[in-house]
Amino acid sequence: DIVMTQTPLSLSVTPGQPASISCKSSQRLLHSNGRTYLFWFLQRPRQPPQLLIYEVSNRFSGVPERFSGSGSGTDFTLKISRVEAEDVGVYYCMQSVQLPYAFGQGTKLEIK
Amino acid sequence: EVQLVQSGAEVKKPGESLKISCKASGYSFTSYWIAWVRQMPGKGLEWMGMIYPGDFDTRYSPSFQGQVTISADKSTSTGYLQWSSLKASDTAMYYCGRRYYNNTIDAFDIWGLGTRVIVSS
Repeated sequence: DIVMTQTPLSLSVTPGQPASISCKSSQRLLHSNGRTYLFWFLQRPRQPPQLLIYEVSNRFSGVPERFSGSGSGTDFTLKISRVEAEDVGVYYCMQSVQLPYAFGQGTKLEIK
Repeated sequence: EVQLVQSGAEVKKPGESLKISCKASGYSFTSYWIAWVRQMPGKGLEWMGMIYPGDFDTRYSPSFQGQVTISADKSTSTGYLQWSSLKASDTAMYYCGRRYYNNTIDAFDIWGLGTRVIVSS
């Protein structure tokens, strides 16, 4: 099974400052079809997960431009250029290149 | 509007059976996978499995194989997650999500609000 490892597990950021979360997979996430199945979700308190980034670097509909994703192979990063109060929650990476699909442990973002 | 509406919270005793639901609307139910995700209290997200309602192809995480049953009803556009004998460790929030795909996107894009299951004697 593919294991997803996120760092850090928690982050405290001053509004307006950047934030970065790393996600490493135990196997490459590149499918034979050429697509890389790495996603980022945000789970706000008491809400379901919401899709932020699909296939490494594509912002989902309605996601602010301050969110960006990058990476390849086994190393991926989510960046928030300027953190806002509404960005509070837990961020998860997830792979769906191989069953069973798997989430990272989550990174809790707090505002200073 | 594309929606997944999940059934309400449940409080059950160990050993009881349970079936929770996820009703889809606003899209072709039989064309996209429906997945289930567990979130135990204070913990992260765990992928349980998914079903393709078009042909009922079902895939389970080994961690949940044999512990739960995932099913779907085309006639009502509803996905289900069921247990035959609940344990206290099944206490969690359960989310359903749709896997949407076309030429440009393949992602779990829409999620239900969750069903809270409490198993306690």
